[in-house]
Amino acid sequence: AQKVTQAQTEISVVEKEDVTLDCVYETRDTTYYLFWYKQPPSGELVFLIRRNSFDEQNEISGRYSWNFQKSTSSFNFTITASQVVDSAVYFCALLDSNYQLIWGAGTKLIIKP
Amino acid sequence: GAVVSQHPSRVICKSGTSVKIECRSLDFQATTMFWYRQFPKQSLMLMATSNEGSKATYEQGVEKDKFLINHASLTLSTLTVTSAHPEDSSFYICSASGVREETQYFGPGTRLLVL
Repeated sequence: AQKVTQAQTEISVVEKEDVTLDCVYETRDTTYYLFWYKQPPSGELVFLIRRNSFDEQNEISGRYSWNFQKSTSSFNFTITASQVVDSAVYFCALLDSNYQLIWGAGTKLIIKP
Repeated sequence: GAVVSQHPSRVICKSGTSVKIECRSLDFQATTMFWYRQFPKQSLMLMATSNEGSKATYEQGVEKDKFLINHASLTLSTLTVTSAHPEDSSFYICSASGVREETQYFGPGTRLLVL
């Protein structure tokens, strides 16, 4: 079965702390894509990253970094030195062979000043 | 690049009326567009997938006569909620993918409230 699990429903940290959002996936495909999207209170989904299954290199973009590990079927997202503007719901998603996204339940991240 | 617009952003209507939501890809040709529905504090639920010039493919449990989807051009798809009822109130989001189909770019969403 194709499935994405975001076990953390809600995380609350104080500004400037580092925070990691977990994502575990299940797929029968050998080629697949993983995504992270941010959904701020306004509702608009913001694309953060796409990673294909053949590229296990970790990626860093400013304060954001992603750790992709096929051995554990995980694609975790870390925000370093969190800021209040990072408060949002973050979704991890898996693209299936029909080019449809399988969504995790989302993790609500609250950054307190 | 890869901007998707949605109109209207918010709509309030009376029960029994029909509401049309537009989704446009502004700077790329969208070979495929997706329509999602999102209830409060929940993840996105795919309603249907549409390819330009062909009929939409609806997910199980989504009434095609209730939610009419038209994808007449490579930059425009519309979702019409026919004879809307209060239970249709929700946040509707479209997305579009172009030549590189791996990534979907999302519109800002439409909040529908049916009274």
